[in-house]
Amino acid sequence: GENVEQHPSTLSVQEGDSAVIKCTYSDSASNYFPWYKQELGKRPQLIIDIRSNVGEKKDQRIAVTLNKTAKHFSLHITETQPEDSAVYFCAPLIGNTPLVFGKGTRLSVIA
Amino acid sequence: EAGVAQSPRYKIIEKRQSVAFWCNPISGHATLYWYQQILGQGPKLLIQFQNNGVVDDSQLPKDRFSAERLKGVDSTLKIQPAKLEDSAVYLCASSLDPQYSPLHFGNGTRLTVT
Repeated sequence: GENVEQHPSTLSVQEGDSAVIKCTYSDSASNYFPWYKQELGKRPQLIIDIRSNVGEKKDQRIAVTLNKTAKHFSLHITETQPEDSAVYFCAPLIGNTPLVFGKGTRLSVIA
Repeated sequence: EAGVAQSPRYKIIEKRQSVAFWCNPISGHATLYWYQQILGQGPKLLIQFQNNGVVDDSQLPKDRFSAERLKGVDSTLKIQPAKLEDSAVYLCASSLDPQYSPLHFGNGTRLTVT
């Protein structure tokens, strides 16, 4: 089965700094790479996703980069704000198999 | 559009009792998932439906968990009998299709087994 690892498991940044979270997967057949944000006590919500034929995608302060050769993709948040504090999950998809979620990265943005 | 509806929001039961959760996906979403999220961990897939057929239930503890999706719309997840380790949030999600479509999660049911 798919092996998904996220690093770091916790991350603290000062407001306005950038944050980067990396997700490593084991199966080279993975073809869809989403990131979900889960605020405390709330449901996970998609914040950005990328397909295997694209190397980078950006949406305002959030970007995702994909390195298929190295089998990892990363979430980049620039100009962090306190409302970015949450747990972030990567969940790569292989073919028709269900998404496998990583263990999560707890991001704390310190004002 | 209306989101994924789940009920109840909270449930407290004693071990060995039974419990059922209900989910109504977003209209038109053919794929429905049940995830278990234990505190401090990522969601773990229990079962995936495509319309009313099971696509993947490899991680469903079938000796105590069961799920159905009659008519390809609403779904129920049942636990019988419950164990202490079943305490978790049970999340239902739906998507347009199983590939490249983001998951839309419900608010979940927080189950406490005492």
